Amino acid sequence: NAGVTQTPKFRVLKTGQSMTLLCAQDMNHEYMYWYRQDPGMGLRLIHYSVGEGTTAKGEVPDGYNVSRLKKQNFLLGLESAAPSQTSVYFCASTDPNTGELFFGEGSRLTVL
Amino acid sequence: AQKITQTQPGMFVQEKEAVTLDCTYDTSDPSYGLFWYKQPSSGEMIFLIYQGSYDQQNATEGRYSLNFQKARKSANLVISASQLGDSAMYFCAMRGASQGAQKLVFGQGTRLTINP
Repeated sequence: NAGVTQTPKFRVLKTGQSMTLLCAQDMNHEYMYWYRQDPGMGLRLIHYSVGEGTTAKGEVPDGYNVSRLKKQNFLLGLESAAPSQTSVYFCASTDPNTGELFFGEGSRLTVL
Repeated sequence: AQKITQTQPGMFVQEKEAVTLDCTYDTSDPSYGLFWYKQPSSGEMIFLIYQGSYDQQNATEGRYSLNFQKARKSANLVISASQLGDSAMYFCAMRGASQGAQKLVFGQGTRLTINP
Protein backbone atom coordinates (compact mmCIF):
# COMPACT_ATOMS: atom_id res chain seq x y z
CA ASN A 1 0.00 0.00 0.00
CA ALA A 2 2.89 2.35 -0.78
CA GLY A 3 1.10 4.86 -3.04
CA VAL A 4 3.60 7.53 -4.09
CA THR A 5 7.15 7.22 -2.77
CA GLN A 6 9.87 9.85 -3.07
CA THR A 7 13.58 9.40 -2.48
CA PRO A 8 15.55 10.91 -0.94
CA LYS A 9 13.53 12.66 1.78
CA PHE A 10 16.30 15.13 2.59
CA ARG A 11 19.36 16.32 0.71
CA VAL A 12 21.90 19.08 1.08
CA LEU A 13 23.80 20.16 -2.03
CA LYS A 14 26.46 22.68 -2.80
CA THR A 15 25.89 25.17 -5.58
CA GLY A 16 26.70 23.58 -8.91
CA GLN A 17 26.21 19.99 -7.83
CA SER A 18 23.73 17.74 -9.57
CA MET A 19 21.18 15.34 -8.19
CA THR A 20 18.09 13.34 -9.10
CA LEU A 21 14.88 12.94 -7.15
CA LEU A 22 13.05 9.69 -7.75
CA CYS A 23 9.29 9.31 -7.61
CA ALA A 24 7.65 5.91 -7.77
CA GLN A 25 3.94 5.11 -7.76
CA ASP A 26 2.31 1.71 -7.59
CA MET A 27 -1.23 2.73 -8.57
CA ASN A 28 -0.78 2.42 -12.34
CA HIS A 29 -1.53 6.12 -12.82
CA GLU A 30 -0.80 7.66 -16.20
CA TYR A 31 -0.36 11.24 -15.03
CA MET A 32 2.49 12.26 -12.77
CA TYR A 33 3.71 15.66 -11.59
CA TRP A 34 6.54 17.41 -9.81
CA TYR A 35 5.70 20.45 -7.67
CA ARG A 36 7.85 22.68 -5.54
CA GLN A 37 6.61 24.34 -2.38
CA ASP A 38 8.01 27.62 -1.14
CA PRO A 39 6.77 29.75 1.79
CA GLY A 40 3.96 32.08 0.79
CA MET A 41 3.76 30.69 -2.74
CA GLY A 42 1.86 27.46 -2.38
CA LEU A 43 2.74 24.62 -4.71
CA ARG A 44 3.94 25.38 -8.21
CA LEU A 45 4.12 22.86 -11.01
CA ILE A 46 7.62 22.19 -12.37
CA HIS A 47 7.06 19.44 -14.94
CA TYR A 48 4.48 16.79 -15.58
CA SER A 49 3.95 13.64 -17.60
CA VAL A 50 0.84 12.18 -19.18
CA GLY A 51 2.33 8.78 -19.77
CA GLU A 52 5.44 6.70 -20.20
CA GLY A 53 7.94 8.43 -22.45
CA THR A 54 6.23 11.84 -22.27
CA THR A 55 7.08 14.97 -20.32
CA ALA A 56 5.94 18.58 -20.43
CA LYS A 57 6.83 21.88 -18.79
CA GLY A 58 4.80 23.33 -16.00
CA GLU A 59 4.82 26.78 -14.46
CA VAL A 60 8.44 26.86 -13.22
CA PRO A 61 10.52 24.43 -15.33
CA ASP A 62 13.81 26.33 -15.60
CA GLY A 63 16.80 24.57 -14.07
CA TYR A 64 15.08 21.18 -13.96
CA ASN A 65 14.85 18.18 -16.24
CA VAL A 66 12.60 15.17 -16.00
CA SER A 67 12.28 11.69 -17.44
CA ARG A 68 9.51 9.09 -17.48
CA LEU A 69 11.17 5.97 -18.84
CA LYS A 70 8.83 3.68 -16.95
CA LYS A 71 5.19 4.31 -16.19
CA GLN A 72 5.67 3.95 -12.47
CA ASN A 73 8.69 6.25 -12.17
CA PHE A 74 9.10 9.98 -12.69
CA LEU A 75 12.56 11.45 -12.16
CA LEU A 76 13.37 15.09 -11.45
CA GLY A 77 16.93 16.20 -12.14
CA LEU A 78 18.91 19.26 -11.17
CA GLU A 79 21.98 19.51 -13.41
CA SER A 80 23.60 22.45 -11.63
CA ALA A 81 21.89 23.27 -8.35
CA ALA A 82 21.37 26.88 -7.30
CA PRO A 83 20.36 28.32 -3.91
CA SER A 84 17.05 29.40 -5.50
CA GLN A 85 16.21 25.72 -5.85
CA THR A 86 16.15 25.27 -2.09
CA SER A 87 12.61 24.04 -1.58
CA VAL A 88 10.37 21.16 -0.69
CA TYR A 89 9.59 19.02 -3.71
CA PHE A 90 6.43 16.99 -4.05
CA CYS A 91 5.68 14.29 -6.54
CA ALA A 92 2.08 13.40 -7.27
CA SER A 93 -0.01 11.20 -9.50
CA THR A 94 -3.65 11.35 -10.53
CA ASP A 95 -6.32 8.71 -10.32
CA PRO A 96 -7.96 8.94 -13.76
CA ASN A 97 -11.34 7.83 -12.42
CA THR A 98 -11.72 10.39 -9.65
CA GLY A 99 -9.19 13.03 -10.60
CA GLU A 100 -7.84 12.90 -7.07
CA LEU A 101 -4.20 13.84 -6.70
CA PHE A 102 -2.05 11.51 -4.61
CA PHE A 103 1.07 13.07 -3.13
CA GLY A 104 4.37 11.69 -2.01
CA GLU A 105 5.71 12.71 1.38
CA GLY A 106 7.94 15.42 -0.02
CA SER A 107 11.68 15.86 -0.40
CA ARG A 108 13.42 18.74 1.32
CA LEU A 109 16.34 20.04 -0.70
CA THR A 110 18.80 22.63 0.56
CA VAL A 111 21.33 24.19 -1.79
CA LEU A 112 24.19 26.01 -0.07
CA ALA B 1 -5.32 31.46 -16.98
CA GLN B 2 -6.40 29.80 -13.79
CA LYS B 3 -5.76 31.47 -10.46
CA ILE B 4 -6.49 30.66 -6.84
CA THR B 5 -6.34 33.32 -4.13
CA GLN B 6 -6.25 32.66 -0.41
CA THR B 7 -6.23 36.01 1.34
CA GLN B 8 -5.68 34.79 4.90
CA PRO B 9 -2.00 34.00 5.52
CA GLY B 10 -2.81 32.96 9.07
CA MET B 11 -5.80 32.36 11.29
CA PHE B 12 -6.13 31.75 15.00
CA VAL B 13 -9.26 30.05 16.36
CA GLN B 14 -10.34 28.74 19.72
CA GLU B 15 -10.85 25.01 20.02
CA LYS B 16 -14.42 23.84 19.30
CA GLU B 17 -15.25 26.95 17.31
CA ALA B 18 -16.14 26.74 13.64
CA VAL B 19 -13.68 28.24 11.20
CA THR B 20 -13.99 29.39 7.59
CA LEU B 21 -10.97 29.48 5.32
CA ASP B 22 -11.43 31.71 2.29
CA CYS B 23 -10.68 30.77 -1.29
CA THR B 24 -11.53 32.64 -4.46
CA TYR B 25 -10.74 31.46 -7.93
CA ASP B 26 -10.57 32.77 -11.45
CA THR B 27 -11.18 30.68 -14.52
CA SER B 28 -12.90 30.90 -17.86
CA ASP B 29 -13.51 27.16 -17.99
CA PRO B 30 -17.19 26.20 -17.73
CA SER B 31 -16.18 22.92 -16.11
CA TYR B 32 -13.73 22.79 -13.23
CA GLY B 33 -13.08 21.18 -9.89
CA LEU B 34 -12.08 22.68 -6.57
CA PHE B 35 -10.03 20.90 -3.93
CA TRP B 36 -8.86 21.50 -0.39
CA TYR B 37 -5.73 19.93 1.04
CA LYS B 38 -4.36 19.94 4.58
CA GLN B 39 -0.64 19.99 5.30
CA PRO B 40 0.24 19.30 8.94
CA SER B 41 3.63 20.11 10.38
CA SER B 42 4.86 16.67 9.35
CA GLY B 43 4.65 17.89 5.76
CA GLU B 44 2.43 15.45 3.92
CA MET B 45 -0.46 16.65 1.76
CA ILE B 46 -3.83 15.28 2.84
CA PHE B 47 -6.85 15.51 0.55
CA LEU B 48 -9.91 16.88 2.38
CA ILE B 49 -12.76 17.65 0.04
CA TYR B 50 -13.73 18.13 -3.61
CA GLN B 51 -16.40 20.23 -5.33
CA GLY B 52 -17.27 20.00 -9.00
CA SER B 53 -18.47 23.12 -10.76
CA TYR B 54 -21.71 21.43 -11.82
CA ASP B 55 -22.45 19.87 -8.44
CA GLN B 56 -25.79 21.12 -7.20
CA GLN B 57 -25.00 20.71 -3.53
CA ASN B 58 -22.10 21.83 -1.43
CA ALA B 59 -19.64 19.05 -0.71
CA THR B 60 -19.34 17.71 2.82
CA GLU B 61 -16.88 15.26 4.40
CA GLY B 62 -17.37 14.78 8.11
CA ARG B 63 -16.48 18.05 9.84
CA TYR B 64 -15.45 19.63 6.55
CA SER B 65 -17.80 21.35 4.19
CA LEU B 66 -17.20 23.48 1.17
CA ASN B 67 -19.23 26.66 0.83
CA PHE B 68 -19.39 26.91 -2.94
CA GLN B 69 -20.69 30.19 -4.34
CA LYS B 70 -20.28 29.91 -8.07
CA ALA B 71 -21.39 33.42 -9.00
CA ARG B 72 -18.89 34.90 -6.58
CA LYS B 73 -16.21 32.38 -7.61
CA SER B 74 -15.56 31.40 -4.04
CA ALA B 75 -15.00 27.97 -2.49
CA ASN B 76 -14.52 28.48 1.23
CA LEU B 77 -13.67 25.58 3.51
CA VAL B 78 -15.69 25.36 6.71
CA ILE B 79 -14.42 23.25 9.59
CA SER B 80 -16.98 22.68 12.29
CA ALA B 81 -16.08 22.12 15.93
CA SER B 82 -12.36 22.69 15.43
CA GLN B 83 -9.84 20.45 17.16
CA LEU B 84 -6.21 20.94 18.12
CA GLY B 85 -5.29 18.47 15.40
CA ASP B 86 -6.74 20.82 12.79
CA SER B 87 -3.74 23.12 13.23
CA ALA B 88 -2.04 22.95 9.85
CA MET B 89 -1.52 24.66 6.54
CA TYR B 90 -4.54 24.52 4.24
CA PHE B 91 -4.39 24.81 0.47
CA CYS B 92 -7.19 25.48 -1.97
CA ALA B 93 -6.62 24.18 -5.50
CA MET B 94 -8.43 24.14 -8.82
CA ARG B 95 -8.42 22.03 -11.93
CA GLY B 96 -9.93 23.44 -15.09
CA ALA B 97 -10.97 21.43 -18.11
CA SER B 98 -8.74 23.52 -20.35
CA GLN B 99 -5.68 22.86 -18.21
CA GLY B 100 -5.14 19.44 -19.66
CA ALA B 101 -3.39 16.57 -17.92
CA GLN B 102 -5.63 17.17 -14.88
CA LYS B 103 -3.15 19.67 -13.49
CA LEU B 104 -3.94 21.46 -10.25
CA VAL B 105 -3.28 25.13 -9.55
CA PHE B 106 -2.76 25.92 -5.88
CA GLY B 107 -3.34 28.97 -3.73
CA GLN B 108 -0.73 30.37 -1.38
CA GLY B 109 -2.19 28.60 1.63
CA THR B 110 -3.59 29.59 5.02
CA ARG B 111 -1.91 28.57 8.24
CA LEU B 112 -4.58 27.67 10.79
CA THR B 113 -3.74 27.54 14.49
CA ILE B 114 -6.25 26.12 16.94
CA ASN B 115 -5.81 27.42 20.47
CA PRO B 116 -6.84 25.31 23.49
